[in-house]
Amino acid sequence: KAGVTQTPRYLIKTRGQQVTLSCSPISGHRSVSWYQQTPGQGLQFLFEYFSETQRNKGNFPGRFSGRQFSNSRSEMNVSTLELGDSALYLCASSLNPDFTYEQYFGPGTRLTVT
Amino acid sequence: LAKTTQPISMDSYEGQEVNITCSHNNIATNDYITWYQQFPSQGPRFIIQGYKTKVTNEVASLFIPADRKSSTLSLPRVSLSDTAVYYCLVGDNGSSNTGKLIFGQGTTLQVKP
Repeated sequence: KAGVTQTPRYLIKTRGQQVTLSCSPISGHRSVSWYQQTPGQGLQFLFEYFSETQRNKGNFPGRFSGRQFSNSRSEMNVSTLELGDSALYLCASSLNPDFTYEQYFGPGTRLTVT
Repeated sequence: LAKTTQPISMDSYEGQEVNITCSHNNIATNDYITWYQQFPSQGPRFIIQGYKTKVTNEVASLFIPADRKSSTLSLPRVSLSDTAVYYCLVGDNGSSNTGKLIFGQGTTLQVKP
């Protein structure tokens, strides 16, 4: 069974631009979570989607948004990029939507903002 | 969500058993204990999860004492490829926590030849 895939793997953007990252969960997994990882803050939860609905949201500004499609694929968008948005963005999927502590992570998208 | 405390780093040698202990004094009745492993520039990988006593799978064992205020991840006969950061997470999946994992600083395990 294929794992979680994320595209693109690497991205370089300029301050003020916007970016869209994509995540395809493991087949059959309908819960998708997003995380940001930086050396200073570690791994931080962004949001979680299930059945096209955002069920949970972390403490990030409104510039960070996401959505989920009917096939469970998910995208996250960051608008008006700042230098501090440079990070590894990770997507994770979970089989059991009621018990999501077992999550399967993708390889991440490395975003660099210059 | 219960706060966890684990050593920042540990060193070991190939072939040794490694035990990483995590303290979670404020663990709640409904909380589970979960461990993840992360290699550089990769996403974390689920290792093991437990509620009480002992859980074992093909990768590791998890020991949880009766009071559940701590837990120990045991990696048998480590190899160089076990060098990674190990995270201990404690929590339940109530409606406020759905899909949300809270990672602490983790324990960086360095396995030497």
